Amino acid sequence: RKEVEQDPGPFNVPEGATVAFNCTYSNSASQSFFWYRQDCRKEPKLLMSVYSSGNEDGRFTAQLNRASQYISLLIRDSKLSDSATYLCVVNFDEYGNKLVFGAGTILRVKS
Amino acid sequence: EAQVTQNPRYLITVTGKKLTVTCSQNMNHEYMSWYRQDPGLGLRQIYYSMNVEVTDKGDVPEGYKVSRKEKRNFPLILESPSPNQTSLYFCASSLWTGLNEQFFGPGTRLTVL
Repeated sequence: RKEVEQDPGPFNVPEGATVAFNCTYSNSASQSFFWYRQDCRKEPKLLMSVYSSGNEDGRFTAQLNRASQYISLLIRDSKLSDSATYLCVVNFDEYGNKLVFGAGTILRVKS
Repeated sequence: EAQVTQNPRYLITVTGKKLTVTCSQNMNHEYMSWYRQDPGLGLRQIYYSMNVEVTDKGDVPEGYKVSRKEKRNFPLILESPSPNQTSLYFCASSLWTGLNEQFFGPGTRLTVL
């Protein structure tokens, strides 16, 4: 089993749609979780951290489910500019030195 | 402008010819890290550094070396490259640890023939 697993997609959605991605992780002791966005093989950029209580940033909502060991990302009112690969990142040590990246989920938003 | 720079951006080389990929950051970050990205595998950590002269192995360190003689620079060295090191390489830095926001360089696409 991979340490961090994501559905590779692609998710093809129309503009304005709501789309959700899940990411499962294998280490029950993991404490920190992130979503990064990567455009077309460019460098990844932090989209948002994922907090235990869930957090929202505009059209983006991140949730953590510790019992089932997954995190989710919800995008509302999708824009063409949201088209990208979304990387789930989980820390696997207490010091933050070992970050494990998922292979990414591809989102394509179409007009 | 705050940034992480990598050079070269593209490199085609032959098996066994030593090469160095440079990485530099101007944000006074303590933590730096190297990753490789391969299709279907995501980013995998090669080496990381918590501070000057402090480096440690990540998940896939075989065939690579690093050094951290100055805070801003973290070069990746391939002493004897092999075709299985053909990949897209990213350098990243963050304030203290990997748990802070990581800022990535633009990537180096390496092909080893």
